[in-house]
Amino acid sequence: ETGVTQTPRHLVMGMTNKKSLKCEQHLGHNAMYWYKQSAKKPLELMFVYNFKEQTENNSVPSRFSPECPNSSHLFLHLHTLQPEDSALYLCASSRQGSENTEAFFGQGTRLTVV
Amino acid sequence: SQQGEEDPQALSIQEGENATMNCSYKTSINNLQWYRQNSGRGLVHLILIRSNEREKHSGRLRVTLDTSKKSSSLLITASRAADTASYFCATRKAAGNKLTFGGGTRVLVKP
Repeated sequence: ETGVTQTPRHLVMGMTNKKSLKCEQHLGHNAMYWYKQSAKKPLELMFVYNFKEQTENNSVPSRFSPECPNSSHLFLHLHTLQPEDSALYLCASSRQGSENTEAFFGQGTRLTVV
Repeated sequence: SQQGEEDPQALSIQEGENATMNCSYKTSINNLQWYRQNSGRGLVHLILIRSNEREKHSGRLRVTLDTSKKSSSLLITASRAADTASYFCATRKAAGNKLTFGGGTRVLVKP
């Protein structure tokens, strides 16, 4: 248990569905991240939020829409996804402002787009 | 191109043997971190080494950093079957808050 909780753990959705992934941390961290992990590819950073403000969007398609209502919660809203979007989506948090700290990861949401 | 690249991509050893994997990166860094991932689960932080450090130990783990060669190594001594996992290096640049991961090394420790 890392202190970062992701729900749901598994999600199957059709290409016309709209769904949301949720991430929650109560570690007092102010930076939160979404990563995508596909088979045989490196972990891809998608979005970074510092103090609820988006500080990085790594050229992610608009069908992925992040939301950070407060420092403890992060959402990833999904709509009209493609089968190639099937992957493990990982949320992480860290203490912003200090570079010598580690990231804490959730268990991930295994997403399958059919 | 990715910042961190692990080598080898896969490693199979017998229990009790040592496992060594390497990570190379391209730009200057503030620190380098190693993470472990069990199949289909989240990553767990193992160890962080700062750019001004050359070696660090944590239990059966030994990490080295050579900033002149832009490379790091992770050594797991006296491996156990429970060490079977994927291991990733990640770099944090001197400026900015982003952690960039490599492709990982899959380690299989056979009992």
